[in-house]
Amino acid sequence: TQLLEQSPQFLSIQEGENLTVYCNSSSVFSSLQWYRQEPGEGPVLLVTVVTGGEVKKLKRLTFQFGDARKDSSLHITAAQPGDTGLYLCAFRKTSYDKVIFGPGTSLSVIP
Amino acid sequence: NAGVTQTPKFRVLKTGQSMTLLCAQDMNHEYMYWYRQDPGMGLRLIHYSVGEGTTAKGEVPDGYNVSRLKKQNFLLGLESAAPSQTSVYFCASSYRLAGATGELFFGEGSRLTVL
Repeated sequence: TQLLEQSPQFLSIQEGENLTVYCNSSSVFSSLQWYRQEPGEGPVLLVTVVTGGEVKKLKRLTFQFGDARKDSSLHITAAQPGDTGLYLCAFRKTSYDKVIFGPGTSLSVIP
Repeated sequence: NAGVTQTPKFRVLKTGQSMTLLCAQDMNHEYMYWYRQDPGMGLRLIHYSVGEGTTAKGEVPDGYNVSRLKKQNFLLGLESAAPSQTSVYFCASSYRLAGATGELFFGEGSRLTVL
């Protein structure tokens, strides 16, 4: 049973479109991270959120942590082919706990 | 700076054979992790370690053993490989941060096929 759910599982869009992907759980998180993974490589950290309601921006990517600290979203504006990859959310229940990943959203941006 | 290095990168085993995957990190990180990645399943935690000489079970520990004899190394062993263990294995490491988060640094992965 996955502790974290991500939706959608797959997403294929045209370059220039906007998109949002979601990460949800029934558990409260100490912190939540978003990673991007490209084929043949390990995941790379995009952002960490620790405060309920927190919003962080990374160029065209906007990350939001839910007020109850049980969910998060990633919004990409004007997607580019370089955004193609697997987007993974990950959480810790407590500061010293292990890191658990969701199943990921596979994004394909078509030129 | 090598970061996290996994060896071997590819391996094919027959059912019942044993093998060890080696993970080495040069960042002096306290925490180390072994994950497996299967299509549609994201990364599932096998075992992890919060320091030299300590290990703990993750989400899917059955069929695997680990050891952390040195701080920089984390070994993952398969005593009797099964086809269900065909997967891509990732090692990661992070600092132990009080009251905060820890970025995970990943290796490039080890692709294991069990026939």
